[in-house]
Amino acid sequence: EPEVTQTPSHQVTQMGQEVILRCVPISNHLYFYWYRQILGQKVEFLVSFYNNEISEKSEIFDDQFSVERPDGSNFTLKIRSTKLEDSAMYFCASRGMRSTEAFFGQGTRLTVV
Amino acid sequence: AQTVTQSQPEMSVQEAETVTLSCTYDTSESDYYLFWYKQPPSRQMILVIRQEAYKQQNATENRFSVNFQKAAKSFSLKISDSQLGDAAMYFCAYRSAGDSSYKLIFGSGTRLLVRP
Repeated sequence: EPEVTQTPSHQVTQMGQEVILRCVPISNHLYFYWYRQILGQKVEFLVSFYNNEISEKSEIFDDQFSVERPDGSNFTLKIRSTKLEDSAMYFCASRGMRSTEAFFGQGTRLTVV
Repeated sequence: AQTVTQSQPEMSVQEAETVTLSCTYDTSESDYYLFWYKQPPSRQMILVIRQEAYKQQNATENRFSVNFQKAAKSFSLKISDSQLGDAAMYFCAYRSAGDSSYKLIFGSGTRLLVRP
């Protein structure tokens, strides 16, 4: 069964460093998403991406964040200068053209120290 | 703005028994979708069940069923014949039918413990 794959599963980075979280969506999907879950809190929408551009972003998704689909298969989330409060689980999701639901990856746990 | 509330941080059920997880939401829209996602210790978010607001019939997927009360804005999940593998965090989520981005709005989750 096709699935969304995220790497790495856990990343530790120093405050102020850039980090790139990677996702390989399901191959025929066209809509891509990043969500964030701070430990013990709810899952929050960050950004949606379609046709090589952001279709919607939340207030959380400020200038420190960017997304890219560099090669037609990967979908990345970059945090330019990480802060302690960026520590969270980051989930990638993808959705097919006619699907009503998105499929999630297993998440990347980001720890900023 | 839409909100989703799960008032039970944790629930416990005996194996083979039935448990109901609560979810309420707030919206001014008439057309939307509601979901229950399961997040086991492996962390992956797995779709359990989906309900379209325009459908009066409650959705059912094997041992999982919902009680959708549109007027009350309530969407509870019933798990019958609970199994040890059902132990997980369960998130209720809302999606506006008119939202072209299809983004989900999640509740805070309910941790389900299954006692052997």
